[in-house]
Amino acid sequence: KAGVTQTPRYLIKTRGQQVTLSCSPISGHRSVSWYQQTPGQGLQFLFEYFSETQRNKGNFPGRFSGRQFSNSRSEMNVSTLELGDSALYLCASSPYGTGDLNGYTFGSGTRLTVV
Amino acid sequence: AQSVTQPDIHITVSEGASLELRCNYSYGATPYLFWYVQSPGQGLQLLLKYFSGDTLVQGIKGFEAEFKRSQSSFNLRKPSVHWSDAAEYFCAVGAKEYGNKLVFGAGTILRVKS
Repeated sequence: KAGVTQTPRYLIKTRGQQVTLSCSPISGHRSVSWYQQTPGQGLQFLFEYFSETQRNKGNFPGRFSGRQFSNSRSEMNVSTLELGDSALYLCASSPYGTGDLNGYTFGSGTRLTVV
Repeated sequence: AQSVTQPDIHITVSEGASLELRCNYSYGATPYLFWYVQSPGQGLQLLLKYFSGDTLVQGIKGFEAEFKRSQSSFNLRKPSVHWSDAAEYFCAVGAKEYGNKLVFGAGTILRVKS
């Protein structure tokens, strides 16, 4: 079956703009989590969505937001982009959303560059 | 606070030599433990995971890891490294109490010399 699909793969934006990233989970998976990966901070958890509700949130400013649709696809939005938002954004899907973490699978990521 | 420490930023081994990557964690709940590998520009591929049971876990590509609760460690090992193993390796910890959230170590970059 298809894996976790993230689009687009690469994105270049200008400081001050906003951006929307998309994540389609594995079919049947109901939980989607987002992570930011930068050389300086490493991999950091942004938030998790399950059944269209945010269940868990990391320590990021309010410029970072997300949502999940009824088909479990998720989008992440970053407003008022800063140079420091340049990163690889990864999403992961999980079938249960109960903290089981079995079947937790990552996508290939979206590389965002802010200039 | 939850934390994961990978003390080695870079490791270089000769092809055919054995490998051990270290991981220590600090977690306030019964941990689920993972090792992931990442090639440049790619996502994270799961090598192996430990949830419960036998503390020696076998993974893909000939990797194994041993959970030692007394040492709060989950070290990754491979008896004979191949040039294709060159990549960055991440140890991660989660727990049922904290939902679907993983805390990652800083990563160890493995270089393989021929």
